Amino acid sequence: KQEVTQIPAALSVPEGENLVLNCSFTDSAIYNLQWFRQDPGKGLTSLLLIQSSQREQTSGRLNASLDKSSGRSTLYIAASQPGDSATYLCAAGENYGQNFVFGPGTRLSVLP
Amino acid sequence: NAGVTQTPKFQVLKTGQSMTLQCAQDMNHNSMYWYRQDPGMGLRLIYYSASEGTTDKGEVPNGYNVSRLNKREFSLRLESAAPSQTSVYFCASSSWDGFNQPQHFGDGTRLSIL
Repeated sequence: KQEVTQIPAALSVPEGENLVLNCSFTDSAIYNLQWFRQDPGKGLTSLLLIQSSQREQTSGRLNASLDKSSGRSTLYIAASQPGDSATYLCAAGENYGQNFVFGPGTRLSVLP
Repeated sequence: NAGVTQTPKFQVLKTGQSMTLQCAQDMNHNSMYWYRQDPGMGLRLIYYSASEGTTDKGEVPNGYNVSRLNKREFSLRLESAAPSQTSVYFCASSSWDGFNQPQHFGDGTRLSIL
């Protein structure tokens, strides 16, 4: 059974700092890997989706990488801003991408 | 852009009562999903529907039923609510073009079972 973990559970950084969030999965036979952002009381917003054949995806200040062989993905946030404060979740796609197994999330606080 | 709309946003039930959570998407997506989110547990898939007319069980289907009414709507029913079903429920949808596309989520239904 696929298990997804995220380290750290919470992170607090000063504004402007670059940071890395980690996601690990136990079964490397994933279909894709997705990173989400969740604001308090809201649903999830997809940030980046990496297909299994890809190594990384970039969107603005965000860069996500995928290493299937080691069962790891990282989300890099450059020049963090207070507006980046949220919980970040990763999800491993299985069964041709029809089933996603989510990690518990990393709660990020960016201090002004 | 409505995206994924869930109703109701909040609900309190008594043990044994039944109710249906509604979800509709206006993005012409084929796939729809129901998740529950509990503190410290992340999101867990309850049921999903890869296309109109099909539904499949996810990780935690017991105590729930679903209906894919048409391409737009996917409902989740609790036949006899239990306190363990207190949770936040999210509906999501996605398209498929040879590769799965990003999931779009609704804002959730916060359900309390007393």
